[in-house]
Amino acid sequence: NAGVMQNPRHLVRRRGQEARLRCSPMKGHSHVYWYRQLPEEGLKFMVYLQKENIIDESGMPKERFSAEFPKEGPSILRIQQVVRGDSAAYFCASSLLGGAADTGELFFGEGSRLTVL
Amino acid sequence: DQQVKQNSPSLSVQEGRISILNCDYTNSMFDYFLWYKKYPAEGPTFLISISSIKDKNEDGRFTVFLNKSAKHLSLHIVPSQPGDSAVYFCAASKTNAGKSTFGDGTTLTVKP
Repeated sequence: NAGVMQNPRHLVRRRGQEARLRCSPMKGHSHVYWYRQLPEEGLKFMVYLQKENIIDESGMPKERFSAEFPKEGPSILRIQQVVRGDSAAYFCASSLLGGAADTGELFFGEGSRLTVL
Repeated sequence: DQQVKQNSPSLSVQEGRISILNCDYTNSMFDYFLWYKKYPAEGPTFLISISSIKDKNEDGRFTVFLNKSAKHLSLHIVPSQPGDSAVYFCAASKTNAGKSTFGDGTTLTVKP
């Protein structure tokens, strides 16, 4: 399966714990995007990364949230000290090219559903 | 500030008829528009797109129309099939920005 792989698919955390969501982009893709879908809402952009660089984090909450895409390994979205409002589906997407050559088409993973008790 | 809006949360059509899903945007810098389809518990999948230099793009049963002056695009599905029942997201991007901005989605139900 050469698609975007996300894990875990489901994650349950208690308030105050940490959540780590992982994303492996499609083979050959070096651009990764994280989106969040709150219940009954659309997809909200969080962050755009290339290998070892954060390109655009304008959608990331200022506190508790961080993202990385290391040279080796998957991209990770980390949420510290989770609260109930963090319960959502978190989608990772990848694209082949970015910048001027990118038409915007994204390839999405199946999402990680975080539930905060 | 919602730059991409889908004002109809849901749409129900009869099998074989046309489905028309609408989307409005406010940012005139957007130059590429896309439609994604999403089934429950799955990620969105790309359906069809259109560049701002065109006003129509067709792919089988799916056609997207773009009206730049009105900042409006629509997705036509004809004939509609029960398997088309899903949430449809409109998205817009600027080619130098990387990210896409999504609307809140329209849930399409096609009745047999």
